[in-house]
Amino acid sequence: DGGITQSPKYLFRKEGQNVTLSCEQNLNHDAMYWYRQDPGQGLRLIYYSQIVNDFQKGDIAEGYSVSREKKESFPLTVTSAQKNPTAFYLCASSPDFQETQYFGPGTRLLVL
Amino acid sequence: KQEVTQIPAALSVPEGENLVLNCSFTDSAIYNLQWFRQDPGKGLTSLLLIQSSQREQTSGRLNASLDKSSGRSTLYIAASQPGDSATYLCAVEVDSNYQLIWGAGTKLIIKP
Repeated sequence: DGGITQSPKYLFRKEGQNVTLSCEQNLNHDAMYWYRQDPGQGLRLIYYSQIVNDFQKGDIAEGYSVSREKKESFPLTVTSAQKNPTAFYLCASSPDFQETQYFGPGTRLLVL
Repeated sequence: KQEVTQIPAALSVPEGENLVLNCSFTDSAIYNLQWFRQDPGKGLTSLLLIQSSQREQTSGRLNASLDKSSGRSTLYIAASQPGDSATYLCAVEVDSNYQLIWGAGTKLIIKP
């Protein structure tokens, strides 16, 4: 089955800790994206990558980092600099930039 | 700066009714507009995509319209069913950088 997987489904972070959210796709898509979703707000773009070994900051990149070493993988690290990390994180991919995006099931990050 | 608004934030209707969800945007310079569905705690599924040159798109019981000049789109759902219960989000792809700008969504509940 082709699709996008995100793990874990739930993640707990202690204060001062860095945590990494996984996103994998087997759709052979070039572009990948990370969004943050907070209650009552629209999705906000954190980072995006149009191609392997390249990525760009979105609207709210501060406190986050990414890598794109493989076409199928786009992990997101929430660093200790992100002071309000509690949110639902969604990963998406598209065949090319500007094309329809396909979403993973999401990871809910909670702070202990 | 492009802003996307969805009103109402929540809507509850009896099964079988036809209904309309609204999406408005402040800048008419859009590349396209998309409607998505999100089930609780899950990722998003693309429903309809309307290119800026189009007026409407249809898929089954769903019909989406676009009026760029007035900055409005509507999603019409015919003969609603309990399985239509979900949050519906609209997003516009802006001409300047092709990023998606999201509304906060309308939570729809269809009562059996």
